[in-house]
Amino acid sequence: DTGVSQDPRHKITKRGQNVTFRCDPISEHNRLYWYRQTLGQGPEFLTYFQNEAQLEKSRLLSDRFSAERPKGSFSTLEIQRTEQGDSAMYLCASSGHRDWLIDTQYFGPGTRLTVL
Amino acid sequence: RKEVEQDPGPFNVPEGATVAFNCTYSNSASQSFFWYRQDCRKEPKLLMSVYSSGNEDGRFTAQLNRASQYISLLIRDSKLSDSATYLCVVSYNQGGKLIFGQGTELSVKP
Repeated sequence: DTGVSQDPRHKITKRGQNVTFRCDPISEHNRLYWYRQTLGQGPEFLTYFQNEAQLEKSRLLSDRFSAERPKGSFSTLEIQRTEQGDSAMYLCASSGHRDWLIDTQYFGPGTRLTVL
Repeated sequence: RKEVEQDPGPFNVPEGATVAFNCTYSNSASQSFFWYRQDCRKEPKLLMSVYSSGNEDGRFTAQLNRASQYISLLIRDSKLSDSATYLCVVSYNQGGKLIFGQGTELSVKP
């Protein structure tokens, strides 16, 4: 499968614990995005990278959230001291501009986080 | 006010019906427009991009009115497999973040 992959698919944790999610983008895609989706809402943008550089962060991304893409390939999203309000689906997407092609974002299956 | 607004539905229609979804966006600087489809507990997938001249893909027609900041999606001859949530999406620049509406749920019944 050459699509975007995310790991783990599900995570249950207790309030106050730290969690880390991984995203592997489509090979050769230089942009990688993180979104969060809660029930009944559309995805909300968190942050995105072009290669290793983190180009934009949402106000939603509090100090407890940190994202990295150290080698410009996979990315990790860490949440420290989780709160019940962090429970959501965390979606990763990637895109890669090639000449005239429209820059479509392809989404991974998501990591569903439940904070007890 | 949300940047992208949609009627949340649900829309319950019989097979074969024509259904239209509407969406408005608040930022006139928006450059790119899309409809994504999301099946229950799955990731969003691009259904179609939306162009100023309007575009069609089989049973699906998308329209954009920049002056009114309004986007629409028309589905003709609905199939059971069209049941999903349809997300209206805008972007301020190519390659930048996507801004999603809350989605409109469609249920097509036999």
